[in-house]
Amino acid sequence: GAVVSQHPSRVICKSGTSVKIECRSLDFQATTMFWYRQFPKKSLMLMATSNEGSKATYEQGVEKDKFLINHASLTLSTLTVTSAHPEDSSFYICSAILAGGPGIEQFFGPGTRLTVL
Amino acid sequence: KQEVTQIPAALSVPEGENLVLNCSFTDSAIYNLQWFRQDPGKGLTSLLLIQSSQREQTSGRLNASLDKSSGRSTLYIAASQPGDSATYLCASKGWGTDKLIFGTGTRLQVFP
Repeated sequence: GAVVSQHPSRVICKSGTSVKIECRSLDFQATTMFWYRQFPKKSLMLMATSNEGSKATYEQGVEKDKFLINHASLTLSTLTVTSAHPEDSSFYICSAILAGGPGIEQFFGPGTRLTVL
Repeated sequence: KQEVTQIPAALSVPEGENLVLNCSFTDSAIYNLQWFRQDPGKGLTSLLLIQSSQREQTSGRLNASLDKSSGRSTLYIAASQPGDSATYLCASKGWGTDKLIFGTGTRLQVFP
């Protein structure tokens, strides 16, 4: 089956620093990846859609200069939280769609827990 | 704008009970609807995916139904087990988009 990994699984950083989270499709190519954030006991909220080789499309209310997304290859998308603050603490999950497939199903990564002190 | 809600928000039942989790969506023009399981601090595991042309899907003790006209989907769990304890999320996908709109989730606890 299609496997998506995320690294790191957990990160703790000081306020004001930047944190990069990687999302990789391990056994398939993904032209489109998605980034979600999830607050405790809440549902997933889509942050942005990442397309290989082009700029990401951000959802309303998501600051593109704060959450930098790069999708440099068909197997890797990165999310960089710049100048992180405690309110950015959350669970970040990525997903990917199989390139050339019917686009029916998204495959989700295991998530990254970000804690900003 | 599609809105997806799930009822109940939380559910605690003894082992062995048959359960029904509900998912409602406001826009019936969906491409498909998917049910996921999420364990605490983990990612999502896809359980069942129902295309708009389908009425239901089954996998083991799980059965998901879809009624577009009423804007509802249900997830039926037969003979619940403690290992079924998790949060269950439904998500709809519209036509011409890859975006998933997630429901609010149902936190299920099955106790021995």
